[in-house]
Amino acid sequence: DGGITQSPKYLFRKEGQNVTLSCEQNLNHDAMYWYRQDPGQGLRLIYYSQIVNDFQKGDIAEGYSVSREKKESFPLTVTSAQKNPTAFYLCASSIGLATGDNTEAFFGQGTRLTVV
Amino acid sequence: EDKVVQSPLSLVVHEGDTVTLNCSYEVTNFRSLLWYKQEKKAPTFLFMLTSSGIEKKSGRLSSILDKKELFSILNITATQTGDSAIYLCAKESDSWGKLQFGAGTQVVVTP
Repeated sequence: DGGITQSPKYLFRKEGQNVTLSCEQNLNHDAMYWYRQDPGQGLRLIYYSQIVNDFQKGDIAEGYSVSREKKESFPLTVTSAQKNPTAFYLCASSIGLATGDNTEAFFGQGTRLTVV
Repeated sequence: EDKVVQSPLSLVVHEGDTVTLNCSYEVTNFRSLLWYKQEKKAPTFLFMLTSSGIEKKSGRLSSILDKKELFSILNITATQTGDSAIYLCAKESDSWGKLQFGAGTQVVVTP
């Protein structure tokens, strides 16, 4: 089955620790995204990558880092510099550069991170 | 930052009612407008709208875009309890699929 897999589903960390969230897709999509969802605020873009070995900051990149060494994988590290890391994190992918109506993003099941 | 504004933020309806959700957006770098349904975790894709006035339908759900007035609506007719979810509207600004989301509308359908 093709899809996007995020792991773990739930994650607890102590304040001051870095933590890495995994996102893997087997859809052969070029573009991948990380969003953060807080209650009442919808989804906000953290980082995105349109091609391997390249990524761009989104609207709320401070305190986060990413890598895109493989097309299938786009891990997100929440660093100790992120002031309010407790949130629901969603990874998504899309086909990438397209000229037709097929650029919709597909989402993983999310990781709920709680920092105590 | 481009804005996507959804209204209402939440609503409660009875089974069988019709629901209309609104989404307005800024015109900058517009490519398409998307609707997603989020029940528990992963948002699932509903519609992508690129042209004004062309209604897209899927069962009891339908959506239309007005590019002149910069808004879209999502209609759900004969609502069922399974329609309870957060409905997200997003603007696509380029050809790569990057999305700007609204805050979502929480719909609760009571038996």
